[in-house]
Amino acid sequence: KQEVTQIPAALSVPEGENLVLNCSFTDSAIYNLQWFRQDPGKGLTSLLLIQSSQREQTSGRLNASLDKSSGRSTLYIAASQPGDSATYLCAVIQAAGNKLTFGGGTRVLVKP
Amino acid sequence: EPEVTQTPSHQVTQMGQEVILRCVPISNHLYFYWYRQILGQKVEFLVSFYNNEISEKSEIFDDQFSVERPDGSNFTLKIRSTKLEDSAMYFCASFVIRGGRSGIQYFGAGTRLSVL
Repeated sequence: KQEVTQIPAALSVPEGENLVLNCSFTDSAIYNLQWFRQDPGKGLTSLLLIQSSQREQTSGRLNASLDKSSGRSTLYIAASQPGDSATYLCAVIQAAGNKLTFGGGTRVLVKP
Repeated sequence: EPEVTQTPSHQVTQMGQEVILRCVPISNHLYFYWYRQILGQKVEFLVSFYNNEISEKSEIFDDQFSVERPDGSNFTLKIRSTKLEDSAMYFCASFVIRGGRSGIQYFGAGTRLSVL
């Protein structure tokens, strides 16, 4: 059974610092991995999708890497801003059309 | 950008009552999902739906739960007799495979269900 873990559970950084968020999964036979942002009491906003054949994906200040063989993904957020404060979730999918299995999230606070 | 729409945003109900949570997936999507998130816990998969039938369900999705796609646009989750432990945020998601590759699952804003 796939298990997804995110460490740390919470992170507080001063504005301008780069953020590094970690995600690990136990079954490396994934189809893709998705990173989401969740604001308190709100829905899930998709940030990046990395296919299993890719090593990284970039969107603006966000960069996500994937090392499938070691069961790890890292989300980098460059030059953090207070508006980046949110919970970041990673989730993996085993095959096309299958369910997402989520990690517990990392709650990020960017202090001005 | 197209989006997944969920109604209502908040539903309050008494224990034992039936509730129906509604979702309008993105129009050309073919795979539909329900997930839930109990406060402070992980997002958990409930059920997936494809080609007008359930394709997978979790152990949470017992006989008290059912899903339906009554017309070409709506996708509903029904809880027949709500329990206190059903209180959670329920998310609907939809997805389409593009060019043989798995695409992004798009999530709605969620329905907060409070069972009293």
